[in-house]
Amino acid sequence: EIVLTQSPGTLSLSPGERATLSCRASQSVSSSYLAWYQHKPGQAPRLLIYGASSRATGIPDRFSGSGSGTDFTFTISRLEPEDFAVYYCQQYGSSPCNFGQGTKLEIK
Amino acid sequence: EVQLVQTGAEVKKPGESLRISCKGSGYSFTNYWINWVRQMPGKGLEWMGRIDPSDSYTNYSPSFHGHVTMSTDKSISTAYLQWTSLQASDTAVYYCARQSFSGNYYYAFDIWGQGTMVTVSS
Repeated sequence: EIVLTQSPGTLSLSPGERATLSCRASQSVSSSYLAWYQHKPGQAPRLLIYGASSRATGIPDRFSGSGSGTDFTFTISRLEPEDFAVYYCQQYGSSPCNFGQGTKLEIK
Repeated sequence: EVQLVQTGAEVKKPGESLRISCKGSGYSFTNYWINWVRQMPGKGLEWMGRIDPSDSYTNYSPSFHGHVTMSTDKSISTAYLQWTSLQASDTAVYYCARQSFSGNYYYAFDIWGQGTMVTVSS
């Protein structure tokens, strides 16, 4: 079972700043089956990044992902007010398809 | 429009049974797995398992195996998550999410249902 550890737990930033989130896996994630989701209260999670670095359909290019093996990074280049939410990484290449514990991105 | 529409909120007592649903539309239902994800109050997302609607093959997370049952009725493009005896600890929001695959290549969860809030309380 692959365990994903996200850091930091909470990130306090202002609109216009750059956000960098980390996701570390307990073992290598095969074929970079690593995704990032945005989750806002009362809404369904939204797929942002798949395959570690590919943006999902309709996702703005201020969102990006990188990494391979056990270390992955998610970046929002310039924060917009609507970007403040909880972000989860997930590996979906092997069962169980675990999520990280989430990073809460809050307005400073 | 591609969408997954889930059952409305449910309130149950401990020991009761429950089945919630997730209806797909706008795509070929049997070409995508359906995953179920739990979010307990104030907590993160947990993958419960998935089902292949084409043959009803299931893959449960060890954490949920034996406590819930996943099924589908492909004739009406609907997936189900079922409990025979609810516990207070089952109180959570449950999401369904579709996942595509191609041979041995898997895709991420691209379409999610709106979630079903299940409250179990005496």
